[in-house]
Amino acid sequence: SQTIHQWPATLVQPVGSPLSLECTVEGTSNPNLYWYRQAAGRGLQLLFYSVGIGQISSEVPQNLSASRPQDRQFILSSKKLLLSDSGFYLCAWSHKGRVLPLHFGNGTRLTVT
Amino acid sequence: AQKITQTQPGMFVQEKEAVTLDCTYDTSDPSYGLFWYKQPSSGEMIFLIYQGSYDQQNATEGRYSLNFQKARKSANLVISASQLGDSAMYFCAMREGGSARQLTFGSGTQLTVLP
Repeated sequence: SQTIHQWPATLVQPVGSPLSLECTVEGTSNPNLYWYRQAAGRGLQLLFYSVGIGQISSEVPQNLSASRPQDRQFILSSKKLLLSDSGFYLCAWSHKGRVLPLHFGNGTRLTVT
Repeated sequence: AQKITQTQPGMFVQEKEAVTLDCTYDTSDPSYGLFWYKQPSSGEMIFLIYQGSYDQQNATEGRYSLNFQKARKSANLVISASQLGDSAMYFCAMREGGSARQLTFGSGTQLTVLP
């Protein structure tokens, strides 16, 4: 069966510090990978998605970037965090060629202070 | 304009009763999909149910059913025989076409099941 791992679960970082959130998927090959952000009391906003190694599509211009160095690894990064980067970040995957269903990780709660 | 609208920020239901969570959508794409996710307080998103725009029958998955009314552009989630474990945030979402970037989530409804 497929599993998705996302870490860390919680993170408190000062403004201006770098960020690296990691997500890995097991039990499947060539998945589509996604990073979503959920602001408090809001729905999910798609940040990045990837259909293959090194292929990243950005949906919202922002202070963040994503990379996919391996088939089942997706990394969300920032060189300098802003207060507005605080939120709940969810990694997700879907089978190659399909958008649905999305399978989500447990999320990372990021607080920028 | 909002593509997915969930007008109920919070709902309460008595244990063992049924509850309907509202969702309306807006799209001009003839091919689309609608689905519901559950997000417990722990944060993970759990896929519940999916309805395609061309599906003739309403989708059902156990205690979950989707009341799909295409003309009204609504896709309400019905949870029968509510359980305490159903307390969570519920998100309605829509896929337009086949691209990940055309996946849109609503703002969610917080459901609380009362004992």
